[in-house]
Amino acid sequence: NAGVTQTPKFRILKIGQSMTLQCTQDMNHNYMYWYRQDPGMGLKLIYYSVGAGITDKGEVPNGYNVSRSTTEDFPLRLELAAPSQTSVYFCASSHGPLYEQYFGPGTRLTVT
Amino acid sequence: AQTVTQSQPEMSVQEAETVTLSCTYDTSESDYYLFWYKQPPSRQMILVIRQEAYKQQNATENRFSVNFQKAAKSFSLKISDSQLGDAAMYFCAYRSSGAQKLVFGQGTRLTINP
Repeated sequence: NAGVTQTPKFRILKIGQSMTLQCTQDMNHNYMYWYRQDPGMGLKLIYYSVGAGITDKGEVPNGYNVSRSTTEDFPLRLELAAPSQTSVYFCASSHGPLYEQYFGPGTRLTVT
Repeated sequence: AQTVTQSQPEMSVQEAETVTLSCTYDTSESDYYLFWYKQPPSRQMILVIRQEAYKQQNATENRFSVNFQKAAKSFSLKISDSQLGDAAMYFCAYRSSGAQKLVFGQGTRLTINP
């Protein structure tokens, strides 16, 4: 199993550009999550999904959108990138709410 | 809202010695889970240990153990026989039993001196 994979690893965006961060898991997990980690801080939940077709907002959803058309994939869309979205983004998945969350390697995004 | 506080931004320990990382949390709930995650320079978040609040016994995983004080809302991590590979950022995290999200502390950077 590859676990949770994320692409790209690094990206630089100009203000106002858009992009999609990809996340795929091969563990057949129903639950998937997107977090962001700002410098020197812990992770904050952006969006999560409890299954295909079901998504919900986390703590810091503004400026982001998600979709979940399959169990495996949970892309995160940034529209109109802003410098405040400069961060490291982590995708995670779990078998259920009481189970361990497995994290991907992260995407470092810089918006200038 | 629940909060998690790690009051030690940085800690260092000599190789083979023991170190304890502190974590306190604030919640009004009685049923929840606590976690310690390790984040090495590779950035990968790795679960080190978890504790269910309803369990009185402290969790242990090999050289890693916790001191869970529910009344004091304290959840410290003890690393015994520290190894160079233990060097990383360590995050304490909280999740209530009915919630989806993990609430993370600010992290403690652990350095292992050879």
